[in-house]
Amino acid sequence: AQSVTQLDSQVPVFEEAPVELRCNYSSSVSVYLFWYVQYPNQGLQLLLKYLSGSTLVKGINGFEAEFNKSQTSFHLRKPSVHISDTAEYFCAVIRGGGSYIPTFGRGTSLIVHP
Amino acid sequence: GAVVSQHPSRVICKSGTSVKIECRSLDFQATTMFWYRQFPKKSLMLMATSNEGSKATYEQGVEKDKFLINHASLTLSTLTVTSAHPEDSSFYICSAREKSGSGNEQYFGPGTRLTVT
Repeated sequence: AQSVTQLDSQVPVFEEAPVELRCNYSSSVSVYLFWYVQYPNQGLQLLLKYLSGSTLVKGINGFEAEFNKSQTSFHLRKPSVHISDTAEYFCAVIRGGGSYIPTFGRGTSLIVHP
Repeated sequence: GAVVSQHPSRVICKSGTSVKIECRSLDFQATTMFWYRQFPKKSLMLMATSNEGSKATYEQGVEKDKFLINHASLTLSTLTVTSAHPEDSSFYICSAREKSGSGNEQYFGPGTRLTVT
């Protein structure tokens, strides 16, 4: 079985500051990793994904994430946040060769202050 | 990109009535669709997986007679909440897996806010 841990339930940050949202997973096999963003009363939008290849993945809205196999982590980063980045962020894992049903973390609420 | 729509976006119904939520893949064919439930400030809870033309597979603890899922075509899945009660009030999100895709990405609908009074 796989699990996803998002260590921070809430991350407050000032506008234009850098941010890192942490995600760790547990799986004994290869995985696919995703970050989604959810704005209030909306569905999930894919920010970026890691399937294979380069461990540094760039996504939309200036976000990037790095897959670290030894630490089983997939932390999300942005060098300079905007007010509009205030949202809920979900990390998700799909186990390779399985049913392709994702397991979601509990979410991290990013709050950007002016 | 792939777009998934849900209808309605919001619905308020009285206790005891049934509500149907539609999930459509607009520009692709989806062999598999997923239904999630999300409580306030919580993550997504997978309710069921539906494959076109076959019965849905429900997650443990989800009442299949209460949450009826139909996946009649490659572009449409419906979730019917039967005899709704206030505790069924929630945000319901569907997602779809593209038939021609690699199988590792889902596209999410915008969600439906159900309020049962």
